[in-house]
Amino acid sequence: AQTVTQSQPEMSVQEAETVTLSCTYDTSESNYYLFWYKQPPSRQMILVIRQEAYKQQNATENRFSVNFQKAAKSFSLKISDSQLGDTAMYFCAFMSRNTGNQFYFGTGTSLTVIP
Amino acid sequence: EPEVTQTPSHQVTQMGQEVILRCVPISNHLYFYWYRQILGQKVEFLVSFYNNEISEKSEIFDDQFSVERPDGSNFTLKIRSTKLEDSAMYFCASSEVLSYEQYFGPGTRLTVT
Repeated sequence: AQTVTQSQPEMSVQEAETVTLSCTYDTSESNYYLFWYKQPPSRQMILVIRQEAYKQQNATENRFSVNFQKAAKSFSLKISDSQLGDTAMYFCAFMSRNTGNQFYFGTGTSLTVIP
Repeated sequence: EPEVTQTPSHQVTQMGQEVILRCVPISNHLYFYWYRQILGQKVEFLVSFYNNEISEKSEIFDDQFSVERPDGSNFTLKIRSTKLEDSAMYFCASSEVLSYEQYFGPGTRLTVT
């Protein structure tokens, strides 16, 4: 069974600073995908960034980047130059085609950006 | 940008009643999903649907649940006889066949009293 763990229920960061959200996972699969989704107060989840497990290079999307450590089964999200609009719940998710394309989510980290 | 939509945004029902939650996936997507999130807990997979049939379902998705694609645009989740523990936010999602990104709707908050 796949499990995803986010050990930080709440975090805060000053505007313009950098913050890192942690995520670990457990799987016996070798080919899988990892995602970070953002859920603003309006409740619609939006994809932030995606990482394919077979790629060694860490994914980057503008101010968002990941630190993917496959051996350690760790997938952290770094947000640089934090903005007020980054305030949201952040979910880490795992997916493998061998398990039917369903997502396995962590419990989420509530991030507050302080002006 | 195309979006997944869900109706209603909030549904209140009495225990034992049937409810139907509606979703309109993105038009060129062929995989559809339902997830639920009980307050304070993680988002949990319920079911995936492809080519007019269930392709995967979780242990949560028991005989009280059913899904249907009644026409070319809607995707519904029916709960036949609601229980208090069905109170949750229900999210619909869709994806292209070969894409691994799932697009989520805004959710329907179901309250069973």
